[in-house]
Order: sequence, then structure tokens, then C-alpha cells
Amino acid sequence: KQEVTQIPAALSVPEGENLVLNCSFTDSAIYNLQWFRQDPGKGLTSLLLIQSSQREQTSGRLNASLDKSSGRSTLYIAASQPGDSATYLCAVRRKSNSGYALNFGKGTSLLVTP
Amino acid sequence: DADVTQTPRNRITKTGKRIMLECSQTKGHDRMYWYRQDPGLGLRLIYYSFDVKDINKGEISDGYSVSRQAQAKFSLSLESAIPNQTALYFCATSDLDTTDTQYFGPGTRLTVL
Repeated sequence: KQEVTQIPAALSVPEGENLVLNCSFTDSAIYNLQWFRQDPGKGLTSLLLIQSSQREQTSGRLNASLDKSSGRSTLYIAASQPGDSATYLCAVRRKSNSGYALNFGKGTSLLVTP
Repeated sequence: DADVTQTPRNRITKTGKRIMLECSQTKGHDRMYWYRQDPGLGLRLIYYSFDVKDINKGEISDGYSVSRQAQAKFSLSLESAIPNQTALYFCATSDLDTTDTQYFGPGTRLTVL
């Protein structure tokens, strides 16, 4: 079974700082890895998806990297803003002979203070 | 208008009652999913459907059933609700044309007393 771990569980930073969120997974046989943002009481919004053949993806101030061999992904947020405050989840779609398998981490709760 | 909608948004019910949660999408995606989210446990897959005639169990399907009425509609039923089914339920869609990126609905908060 794929285990997905996110560290830290919570993070508080002042506005303007660059920060890194970490995601690790135990089974490197994956199709892709996706980063999501979840605001309180709301659904998940997809931020970036990295295919297993890719090393990184970028969108605006966000950059996600993938190191399949070591079972790690990082989400880099540049010049953080209070509006970035949310819970960030990573999800790994692993290769499985028994059907679709998408495993989520428990998330990192980010607070960016003005 | 939202691409993925869920009804109801909130529901309180009693143990033993039958409950149906509905999901509709306007994205034109073939693939639809139901997840539940519990504090400290993260999101877990309940059922998924890759097209109208395809239904598959996920990680935690016991106590749940689903119906794919059309490409755009995917319903989740709790035949006899129990308190440990209290959770936040999400519907999601994806399509291989968009690299299987998952798009989520706003969620249904279900409380079983």
C-alpha cells in the first residue's frame, strides 16, 4: 500500500518568505503526483500535476518537483502572500493491477501572516 | 457556474436512514470519483467510474453504493447510515485528455447521529 507523508503538518511564515512543502511516498511505481490546495469548508483545487516522466512543473509563484527514485516531491511557493493560507495536499497515483489507486497525504496547513 | 456540483451541501441524519448524495458535472469528463475526508485520515477513495457502464470499488466501499446515471451524474448512497460515516464527502472528475487531473466539487458535510 502506498503511504504518503507530508511534512510539516503545519507551518506559519511572515508574508514575503519563500517556503517549501514536502511530500514523500513509499512506492516509486507511480503514474503522477498532484498538488492541491484546500480552503476551509471548500473543495480541493488542483495546483500542479507532475507526470512520472517529468522532473518539475511551474505555475506562477509555484514550482513542484518530483524525484521518483527517492520517493519525494516538493512544492515551492515564492514570495508568499496571506492569500496563500490554506491546506496543501499531495496525492500520488500509483500503478496498480487491482485498479485505480490515488493516495493522499494528510496535508500541510499553511498560515501566511501579514 | 461551478463545473462540479454536489447536493446537498450539508445533511444531518439519524442512524439507519438511507441517504443519497448527488454529484453533477459540466466538464464533459468520463471519469468520476467519490471520496471521504476525515480529520487525521486524509482523503480516501470510496468508488470510481471510468464511464457510464463502469463502476469500481475503492479503498473503503463497505457500507456505500453508487449509481452512474449518465456521463454527468454520479450518486453515492448510504443504505443504512451509521455514525462513523460522519465525514466530508467529495465528488471529483478527471479526463485523460487533461492528464487525469482531478477536479473536485465543494463537498457535502454529512453528520449521522
